Amino acid sequence: QVQLVQSGAEVKKPGASVKVSCKASGYTFVGYYLHWVRKAPGQGLEWMGRIGPNNGDTASAQKFQGRVLMTTEKSSDTAYMDLSRLRSDDTAVYYCARAYGSGNFLGAFDIWGQGTLVTVSS
Amino acid sequence: DIVMTQSPLSLPVTPGEPASISCRSSESLLHRNGFNYLDWYLQKPGQSPQLLIYLGSKRASGVPDRFSASGSGTDFTLKISRVEADDVGVYYCMQALQTVFTFGPGTTVEIK
Repeated sequence: QVQLVQSGAEVKKPGASVKVSCKASGYTFVGYYLHWVRKAPGQGLEWMGRIGPNNGDTASAQKFQGRVLMTTEKSSDTAYMDLSRLRSDDTAVYYCARAYGSGNFLGAFDIWGQGTLVTVSS
Repeated sequence: DIVMTQSPLSLPVTPGEPASISCRSSESLLHRNGFNYLDWYLQKPGQSPQLLIYLGSKRASGVPDRFSASGSGTDFTLKISRVEADDVGVYYCMQALQTVFTFGPGTTVEIK
């Protein structure tokens, strides 16, 4: 079936980097944009950015620019989100999500990964 | 960035009764193609978010027809015709018009 499977939980120290993977299966990987969304404890959902697996097109929220790197590996149908210079307020569950939309509408996140808990603590 | 607001932020509901959540955007979400670039999501406790509505009013696959959405421009509404116990969780609207997407703060729906 169509699914996104993410890598396991991570514990990092402030200043370190984390790389979360998101492996797609059951559909044509290059045919859909992938988005990254996080949820910090006690906070709402926060959109981080997106990547088009076919062309590598990326966009990210301003607060993450310079710290986030989104990539894809077409040979393994896997997307990656690399967040650097971690701070304690980066502690959150990170989700990848497939965008059902296409063309100029890249919303409608119809498939979500199970989430990856990243804990930043000294 | 477009700022999304929701009201109420907390909504106690009675099973079998209707419920309604409002979402407003700081700029119009109406694309020149006539669609509103607004989605609704529900995050149930302990689960990943799930898509309920996209393009303002289109129900996602598998979503019960007691969920409906309406609105255009800057004002949108999600309605549940008859709330069920399984509908508890946090409901979010999200704009997908600009390059940078933004979510509303969320509305927590709980059973009275």
